[in-house]
Amino acid sequence: DAGVIQSPRHEVTEMGQEVTLRCKPISGHDYLFWYRQTMMRGLELLIYFNNNVPIDDSGMPEDRFSAKMPNASFSNLKIQPSEPRDSAVYFCASTATGVGSPLHFGNGTRLTVT
Amino acid sequence: QKEVEQNSGPLSVPEGAIASLNCTYSDRGSQSFFWYRQYSGKSPELIMFIYSNGDKEDGRFTAQLNKASQYVSLLIRDSQPSDSATYLCAVSYGKLTFGQGTILTVHP
Repeated sequence: DAGVIQSPRHEVTEMGQEVTLRCKPISGHDYLFWYRQTMMRGLELLIYFNNNVPIDDSGMPEDRFSAKMPNASFSNLKIQPSEPRDSAVYFCASTATGVGSPLHFGNGTRLTVT
Repeated sequence: QKEVEQNSGPLSVPEGAIASLNCTYSDRGSQSFFWYRQYSGKSPELIMFIYSNGDKEDGRFTAQLNKASQYVSLLIRDSQPSDSATYLCAVSYGKLTFGQGTILTVHP
């Protein structure tokens, strides 16, 4: 099993640009989560999907953030326009057994917005 | 008010000692409790999970849960320098909420 795959590993962009982060969950996992990690706020849940449907997006900071899961093997998180305060490590995670279950994390995308 | 609280540390212990990491949570309805380890620059990895009051042991790791006190802890016996990492407590309220993490340093 390849695990959760995220791309890119690092992204450096200028303020105002669109950023797209990508995630491939583990095959057979019906739940996919996007988390953001910063020193100040720790690991925060942004949004999660069940069977490709967004269930809880209450953690999405504002309208500049959007996430989709067009099929069971792919999700993306977009930030448009990006701002320096969006700089963080973004993790995707998946699980087969529900929101209260152990998560399998991807390696993360380190985003730097200058 | 934070939902999951941890002492940020750093907690420093000598090699071979017992490291004790603590976590409190605010929602009495919480059902599932997890400890993740995160090395610098890496993603969190699951160490232990516990659902019922009491102790759960796995090798050198013991998770302890006290729902009445809303308290969960992780004990690491015979600590090794390779255990040096940030330990994240996570609690399920229906979705998984993480504490800020405790930095553990095990010195030779």
